[in-house]
Amino acid sequence: RKEVEQDPGPFNVPEGATVAFNCTYSNSASQSFFWYRQDCRKEPKLLMSVYSSGNEDGRFTAQLNRASQYISLLIRDSKLSDSATYLCVVIPSGSARQLTFGSGTQLTVLP
Amino acid sequence: GAGVSQSPSNKVTEKGKDVELRCDPISGHTALYWYRQRLGQGLEFLIYFQGNSAPDKSGLPSDRFSAERTGESVSTLTIQRTQQEDSAVYLCASSLNRQGAFFGQGTRLTVV
Repeated sequence: RKEVEQDPGPFNVPEGATVAFNCTYSNSASQSFFWYRQDCRKEPKLLMSVYSSGNEDGRFTAQLNRASQYISLLIRDSKLSDSATYLCVVIPSGSARQLTFGSGTQLTVLP
Repeated sequence: GAGVSQSPSNKVTEKGKDVELRCDPISGHTALYWYRQRLGQGLEFLIYFQGNSAPDKSGLPSDRFSAERTGESVSTLTIQRTQQEDSAVYLCASSLNRQGAFFGQGTRLTVV
């Protein structure tokens, strides 16, 4: 089983739609969680951290479910500029190998 | 600058040559990571430095790959006797403790 698993998509949604991605992780002791976005042929960029209580940044909401070992990202009112690959990242507790990346979920927002 | 800086941005080298890639992390960031990303693929962990601790080299694909970091500053990734399968974008990132990491723009390596 992969340490971090994501649905690769692609997700094709119309502009203005709400879209949600999930990511599951295998190490129950994991302590830190993040969402990154990566545009084509660009470096990954930190989108937001994910906290146990859930957190929101404008149109983006991230949630953590420790019992089921998954994190989610919700994007409301999708914009064309949201088209990218979204990467789930986990830092396992006690592991020397930090920043474990999922393989990414591709999102295309259509006009 | 305030971000992670990598050089060169592009490198074309002949098979069998050695290459050296450089990463300048964000000042004060104790953690530094190297990843490799082949075209259309995900990020592949290579090596991780945390302060003065022994680096985690578990992701290095062969003994042709090595990396160094002096203190909490610049890191260099060296690939000896390059092969065509080494062609990829090499990404460096830095972070403070267990916070999210910030990536440089990468070095695109092409081995011909």
